Amino acid sequence: EVQLVESGGGLVQPGRSLRLSCAASGFIFDDYAMHWVRQTPGKGLEWVSGITWNSGSRGYADSVKGRFTISRDNAKNSLYLQMNSLRPEDTALYYCVKEGWPAHCFDSWGQGALVTVSS
Amino acid sequence: QSALTQPASVSGSPGQSITISCTGSSSDVGGYNFVSWYQQHPGKAPKLVIYDVTNRPSGVSTRFSGSKSGNTASLTISGLQADDEADYYCNSYTSSTAFYVFGTGTKVTVL
Repeated sequence: EVQLVESGGGLVQPGRSLRLSCAASGFIFDDYAMHWVRQTPGKGLEWVSGITWNSGSRGYADSVKGRFTISRDNAKNSLYLQMNSLRPEDTALYYCVKEGWPAHCFDSWGQGALVTVSS
Repeated sequence: QSALTQPASVSGSPGQSITISCTGSSSDVGGYNFVSWYQQHPGKAPKLVIYDVTNRPSGVSTRFSGSKSGNTASLTISGLQADDEADYYCNSYTSSTAFYVFGTGTKVTVL
């Protein structure tokens, strides 16, 4: 059974940094692209960032480009999101998501890590 | 990176069929057969119900079906049931980032 467990969320002041982690199990981690998707309370889903299986390609939403960095450690079956220069509008539930293959979709989701940016 | 456009809400009575649209552009929905749909109940993580426009994952009811015409994809739920009441999001690969973009989301209400 695929399991994705996020950690590292919390309350942080504007302008500060936070690092999210995602521990993956139940599948061959280094075979799949991984993503971060966020959801503002009461609002919709937003794709934040993605990384291919070998870290060869990384992508970011315009809203976080230049501030967030996605990375992975295949030896530790872990995905990370380094978030710098946080803004109040970054407040959201951040999901760690596994991409399917060869299907182009998000086939497994974690339960999310809540990030609150407030002074 | 504009979000794909979905109607804010759709409703139907039990047993009826409803269709949710998802409109993008030739850079996403219209250019690739990589549209997926997600169901999200309150307080829960999203669940994949359709991938690559028309395919259903194992375990998803045959009442869910997907299609696409031009720059618009659609999700149809037939034989509407109370448990279908949820938020639904479309998603597509987009050449603008070489990754993905979500739709604005649709709240489905079972009357």
